[in-house]
Amino acid sequence: KAGVTQTPRYLIKTRGQQVTLSCSPISGHRSVSWYQQTPGQGLQFLFEYFSETQRNKGNFPGRFSGRQFSNSRSEMNVSTLELGDSALYLCASSSGRLETQYFGPGTRLLVL
Amino acid sequence: AQKVTQAQTEISVVEKEDVTLDCVYETRDTTYYLFWYKQPPSGELVFLIRRNSFDEQNEISGRYSWNFQKSTSSFNFTITASQVVDSAVYFCALSDNGNKLVFGAGTILRVKS
Repeated sequence: KAGVTQTPRYLIKTRGQQVTLSCSPISGHRSVSWYQQTPGQGLQFLFEYFSETQRNKGNFPGRFSGRQFSNSRSEMNVSTLELGDSALYLCASSSGRLETQYFGPGTRLLVL
Repeated sequence: AQKVTQAQTEISVVEKEDVTLDCVYETRDTTYYLFWYKQPPSGELVFLIRRNSFDEQNEISGRYSWNFQKSTSSFNFTITASQVVDSAVYFCALSDNGNKLVFGAGTILRVKS
């Protein structure tokens, strides 16, 4: 089975812009979760989608949003980018609740 | 609230040494899952093990072993006969609320030849 894929792998944006990141889960997995990793805050949960519905959400401002499509692919969007949004954004998929999450390679976002 | 503590920020060992990575967790739930992930320089988190709160049996997989003790809320990870390829950041994580993983700060393991 192919693993979790994320696009793009690298991204450079400027403050105030918006960005959309994409994640394709492992075939058959219906749950997709997003995490932000920064040197200062570590790995933090953003949100989880299951069957096109947001099932859980972390403590991030409303500038961070996501959605899931009927084929389980997910996108996350960050609007009005700030310098502090520079991070590695990781997507993970799993077959169900409390099942193992398998991670993609991540998208490295740099905000200038 | 859930919390995972990895007190060791960085560990350096010489190849073939055994090394143990510590993980202490906090949760009020009786049903929860614990995980270990490895993050090589490429950035991708690689799944190593998943353990539920009702299974305290220790596990061994090749050179890797895990010791789960509910009495001390610990889930420690030992690498036997370490190799240079084991160099990475290792994360312990807890899940007791659906698929939200709470991660520890990570332990950087450097294995020198």
